[in-house]
Amino acid sequence: KNQVEQSPQSLIILEGKNCTLQCNYTVSPFSNLRWYKQDTGRGPVSLTIMTFSENTKSNGRYTATLDADTKQSSLHITASQLSDSASYICVVKLIKAAGNKLTFGGGTRVLVKP
Amino acid sequence: DTEVTQTPKHLVMGMTNKKSLKCEQHMGHRAMYWYKQKAKKPPELMFVYSYEKLSINESVPSRFSPECPNSSLLNLHLHALQPEDSALYLCASSLTSGSVDEQYFGPGTRLTVT
Repeated sequence: KNQVEQSPQSLIILEGKNCTLQCNYTVSPFSNLRWYKQDTGRGPVSLTIMTFSENTKSNGRYTATLDADTKQSSLHITASQLSDSASYICVVKLIKAAGNKLTFGGGTRVLVKP
Repeated sequence: DTEVTQTPKHLVMGMTNKKSLKCEQHMGHRAMYWYKQKAKKPPELMFVYSYEKLSINESVPSRFSPECPNSSLLNLHLHALQPEDSALYLCASSLTSGSVDEQYFGPGTRLTVT
């Protein structure tokens, strides 16, 4: 069973609309949580990184939240653009994870339509 | 320079061929990683190098042979691959393999085994 679960698996939104992606994790002890954007056939690009003590982080139109008590994170995309079409991956890093190993969620595929 | 570069971008090889993937970074990072990513799946860690020494091998078949000739360069030598090895191969690097160090991903090499 994946220890980082993302929902929905995919969604379609109209350009200009907002959307929120969810990430629930069970792994612990927790070091930090990252959201990556991955365009098809390209490498992931970091959007935000949050430590245990942070509960919100913004990067332009992307805002991530973290509730370490409930082990939930969300990524909110404001005023979506066609270029936001990509997979968004939630990644959790454990404290003392050997070799800086990351635990990846399955990703949410977002398609923005005009 | 905050970039991880990978060559080639695309590679098609037969099951009897020998080929190599190359990854390079000039950020002074001392940890480098190889990941394999199948379509619509998250990246799977293959190897971790720390200070040019192999620190993690995630039980990868011996037909994949990593090499780290210096701190800026990481190779993945391929021999006698199977069609199921077709995937996007991602390289990443981080300052060290410590838990707080963010991994920067390259654009990937799309490998097709025929």
